[in-house]
Amino acid sequence: AQSVTQLDSQVPVFEEAPVELRCNYSSSVSVYLFWYVQYPNQGLQLLLKYLSGSTLVKGINGFEAEFNKSQTSFHLRKPSVHISDTADYFCAVSDLRQGAQKLVFGQGTRLTINP
Amino acid sequence: AAGVIQSPRHLIKEKRETATLKCYPIPRHDTVYWYQQGPGQDPQFLISFYEKMQSDKGSIPDRFSAQQFSDYHSELNMSSLELGDSALYFCASSKQGRADTQYFGPGTRLTVL
Repeated sequence: AQSVTQLDSQVPVFEEAPVELRCNYSSSVSVYLFWYVQYPNQGLQLLLKYLSGSTLVKGINGFEAEFNKSQTSFHLRKPSVHISDTADYFCAVSDLRQGAQKLVFGQGTRLTINP
Repeated sequence: AAGVIQSPRHLIKEKRETATLKCYPIPRHDTVYWYQQGPGQDPQFLISFYEKMQSDKGSIPDRFSAQQFSDYHSELNMSSLELGDSALYFCASSKQGRADTQYFGPGTRLTVL
């Protein structure tokens, strides 16, 4: 079974500062990794995903994440945040089973951008 | 591009009532997933269907049941509602069960009074 740990439940940063949201996963098999964003009172939007290949993945809104197999991590970064990035961010993992590949989510990190 | 459609978007029920949530997947998607997100919680997997057969089951109460129909839409039926069932219910769909093609609907917010 897979599990995901997001080490920070809340991350406050100032506007235009860099940010890193941490995610570690546990799995005995190969996995896909995802980051989703949830704005207040909205659904889940895919930011980026790692399937294979280059360990640095670029997503929407200037976000990127780096897959580190040895550390079983998939941290999300943005070099300069904006007020509009205020949201909940969820890291998720899926195995590569046959049939429906469900997502297992981390507990989420609330990113708050202060002016 | 067409997205996952969920109806209703909001639902208010009393304790012990029943509720039915509907999900219409993206065209040509054959797999449907249901997730439950409680207040301040992460989404939890409930159940999935692949080609109209139940594929996987998570922490879904026995009071809940679901099915996928011939047109691939899915319904989640919830009976004997409890206060703790108040949550955001997401449906997602994908092609051939692949997580990398999974897209989420906007969710149904269920409030049980």
